[in-house]
Amino acid sequence: GIQVEQSPPDLILQEGANSTLRCNFSDSVNNLQWFHQNPWGQLINLFYIPSGTKQNGRLSATTVATERYSLLYISSSQTTDSGVYFCAVSGGDYKLSFGAGTTVTVRA
Amino acid sequence: GAGVSQSPSNKVTEKGKDVELRCDPISGHTALYWYRQSLGQGLEFLIYFQGNSAPDKSGLPSDRFSAERTGGSVSTLTIQRTQQEDSAVYLCASSPPQSTFGSGTRLTVV
Repeated sequence: GIQVEQSPPDLILQEGANSTLRCNFSDSVNNLQWFHQNPWGQLINLFYIPSGTKQNGRLSATTVATERYSLLYISSSQTTDSGVYFCAVSGGDYKLSFGAGTTVTVRA
Repeated sequence: GAGVSQSPSNKVTEKGKDVELRCDPISGHTALYWYRQSLGQGLEFLIYFQGNSAPDKSGLPSDRFSAERTGGSVSTLTIQRTQQEDSAVYLCASSPPQSTFGSGTRLTVV
C-alpha cells in the first residue's frame, strides 16, 4: 500500500501563531484528505484535496500531486485547534491509508 | 441520516465472548470502511466495502474478525472469542469521495 509520512510528529503553538503541517506519500494518489481528531476522539474531515489548493476559514491546504506531498496551513491558531491532524490517501484501490498524525497543542 | 451512526458507543465484554458492532452509513454512500484505533495510535485499516463488489478484507487481523454489509447500507463488524488485545476504538466511515467518520465504538475486553 501507499506509505504516508507526516511531519512534524508534535507541534506546540502559542495562540495566534501560524503553522504548516506536511504529508508526504509514496505513490500516485486519487484521493487525499485531511482530518482533525479532537480531544474527544471525533474525526472531522477538513479537506478533500487530491490536488490544488483549498481554503476554509483559517485553514487551507495545498496538494502537489506530481511531487507527492500536501501541506495543511493553520493561521491565527486557537486553543480549539488542538488535537491530532491526520493525512489519508488512496490510490487505485480506494483504500484510505493514514499517516501517524501530527499532534498539535495550542497554548493560550 | 445526516451522519454516520455507530452503536454501541461503549462496550465492555469478557475475554472469550463474541461482540457485534454496528455502523449506519450516510444514505446513498456506496463506500464503507472500518478502522481500528488503539490508545494514542493511528488508524489501522480493517475492511472496505464498495457497492456490490467483493469487500477488501486485507486488514482484518485474524479469522476471529468478520464483517458484512447488508443491502449496501448497514454494516456489522463481528469479533469472535474476544482477546484483550482487541481493546480499541472501532471507527466506521462512509464516502465517496470525502469520508465522514462515526463517533466510534470503544471496546474494552476484560
